[in-house]
Amino acid sequence: SAVISQKPSRDICQRGTSLTIQCQVDSQVTMMFWYRQQPGQSLTLIATANQGSEATYESGFVIDKFPISRPNLTFSTLTVSNLSPEDSSIYLCSAAHISGNTIYFGEGSWLTVV
Amino acid sequence: QKEVEQDPGPLSVPEGAIVSLNCTYSNSAFQYFMWYRQYSRKGPELLMYTYSSGNKEDGRFTAQVDKSSKYISLFIRDSQPSDSATYLCAMSIRPGGYQKVTFGIGTKLQVIP
Repeated sequence: SAVISQKPSRDICQRGTSLTIQCQVDSQVTMMFWYRQQPGQSLTLIATANQGSEATYESGFVIDKFPISRPNLTFSTLTVSNLSPEDSSIYLCSAAHISGNTIYFGEGSWLTVV
Repeated sequence: QKEVEQDPGPLSVPEGAIVSLNCTYSNSAFQYFMWYRQYSRKGPELLMYTYSSGNKEDGRFTAQVDKSSKYISLFIRDSQPSDSATYLCAMSIRPGGYQKVTFGIGTKLQVIP
């Protein structure tokens, strides 16, 4: 397994600003992912964070809105840009070892946009 | 049609009851099946993992997969108030580290003392 720490755990942001969420894993993992969890909806994959290269985004998510960095095997950031109330959600970092069968999650970052 | 269907509940049961949580799916290529538990204001926590069809037991929890029916279940025996949480089913074609994992919407469970 992996222990995943996220910060901030929650934040209230003004419309039009940006928020950067940090994710730290306690061991070197091959795969890191960012998910969004909106009320009444299932967990939705935003992108796969690739070490040293551009993230791989899912349909409906773009780099300009959700820039992602992954400078090494244990750390990643997700920025949610130009915030609108529709971005109010829980953002979850997850990770997996390439030899593992499943993924593990951080505690989540609760974002409210006002 | 969603790839994974899960009744959001809420499901309320008395303490000590057997709980049955279920998901159906449409993609026959799914082979890896997971159940996560998510307490309020917390991240999802992996409960059970199974590969292909069959049963897997871990303490009070039993996971069942019926690939022929595209149906998975999680049973909780002797349910406790501490089991009150949202339970998410999840599945993937390849192991989760290799490929996108698809989640159900989650079933909210409340165990009444």
